[in-house]
Amino acid sequence: QVQLVESGGGVVQPGGSLRLSCAASGFTFSSYGMHWVRQAPGKGLEWVAFIRYDGSNKYYADSVKGRFTISRDNSKNTLYLQMNSLRAEDTAVYYCAKDPRPYRVAAAGPLDYWGQGTLVTVSS
Amino acid sequence: DIQMTQSPSSLSASVGDRVTITCQASQDISNYLNWYQQKPGKAPKLLIYDASNLETGVPSRFSGSGSGTDFTFTISSLQPEDIATYYCQQYDNLPRGFTFGPGTKVDIK
Repeated sequence: QVQLVESGGGVVQPGGSLRLSCAASGFTFSSYGMHWVRQAPGKGLEWVAFIRYDGSNKYYADSVKGRFTISRDNSKNTLYLQMNSLRAEDTAVYYCAKDPRPYRVAAAGPLDYWGQGTLVTVSS
Repeated sequence: DIQMTQSPSSLSASVGDRVTITCQASQDISNYLNWYQQKPGKAPKLLIYDASNLETGVPSRFSGSGSGTDFTFTISSLQPEDIATYYCQQYDNLPRGFTFGPGTKVDIK
């Protein structure tokens, strides 16, 4: 069965950095695009970033462009989100999620499996 | 950018009631619209994809319809386990990503 397990969340000061990981299992990780989606406390869902199945294309929400970097290691079945220059408004639960269609090249479509999320708190 | 609105923002209904949520896009998105259910403290769960297709394993009391700018999500007979917040999500099939609606919180009366 598909499993996505995020880790790496925690408390960080404004301006600091954090790297999130998402360990994937139960499917051929290297065939599927992956997303990060976040949810601020008590708020709605916000798409953050997408990476193509082979890592060759990446897309970002305007709110994180230039500060966050999505990457993947297909040999380790792991997705990453490097977050730099963190701001208070980046405080959220961060979810990784899977595209159901293999080899899709665009940040499109539904998200059929989600991890349980990891909480990032940006505070001094 | 495409903006999504949902209505109502919250509703309260009785067990067995028919519940309808609407989602409107600021421009034509064809059928590129998905619906998710999120229970408190849990990750979202995909219910409906491409406006009207029921995800595998999702009960048939859930349905979706619409195209273009106006979409509808329906629970034909509300059950206690359906208490959750429901989000629509658009994707315009361009590379740059997608947006979620603000959500509709569903409670039992």
